[in-house]
Amino acid sequence: EIVMTQSPATLSVSPGERATLSCRASQSVSSNLAWYQQKPGQAPRLLIYGASTRATGIPARFSGSGSGTEFTLTISSLQSEDFAIYYCQQYNNWPWTFGQGTKVEIK
Amino acid sequence: QVQLVESGGGVVQPGRSLRLSCAASGFTFSSYGMHWVRQAPGKGLEWVAHISRDGRSTHYADSVTGRVTISRDNSNNRLFLQMNGLMTDDTAVYYCVREREGGPLDVWGKGTLVTVSS
Repeated sequence: EIVMTQSPATLSVSPGERATLSCRASQSVSSNLAWYQQKPGQAPRLLIYGASTRATGIPARFSGSGSGTEFTLTISSLQSEDFAIYYCQQYNNWPWTFGQGTKVEIK
Repeated sequence: QVQLVESGGGVVQPGRSLRLSCAASGFTFSSYGMHWVRQAPGKGLEWVAHISRDGRSTHYADSVTGRVTISRDNSNNRLFLQMNGLMTDDTAVYYCVREREGGPLDVWGKGTLVTVSS
């Protein structure tokens, strides 16, 4: 099973600042990596797939990069609605696996 | 609009069985692979199971293999998860999720809560 490790566990950021979230895979997942956003009491929402492609309706301030084992999600200028938990997930090998999440909180 | 609505959750005793159902609408159900993903209270997301568009191929997380069966009824646009031998660790919100072609999970239901407790 591929283990996905996200860092940091919690990121404290002021509105308008940049947030950089990391995700590492225990073995290569090529570009088969997605990012999801989850707010309290809601289902997750797909943000990024193919490591760098924004899903439909996702603002341009969200960007993804990386391939192989190292991936990054960047939020260029945090808005109030962006404070949430973010998960990475690999879909290169069965079983599919998620990272443990990074909580982005208001500083 | 595209929608997934789960049902069948509830409180169940350890060792008992439960069958979850997911009703799909707003898209051609038979054209998509489908998944179940769960989330224990206050915890992260855990992928549970996958079924191919035609139902011929399935995959399971190690934590549920042998106890869980995913199935689908393309005639009635429904996805199912049969869970047997339930354990307290199976307590979670269970999400029905559509797979976008190529892999990512692009449409999620609101989830149904399963509580395993004596």
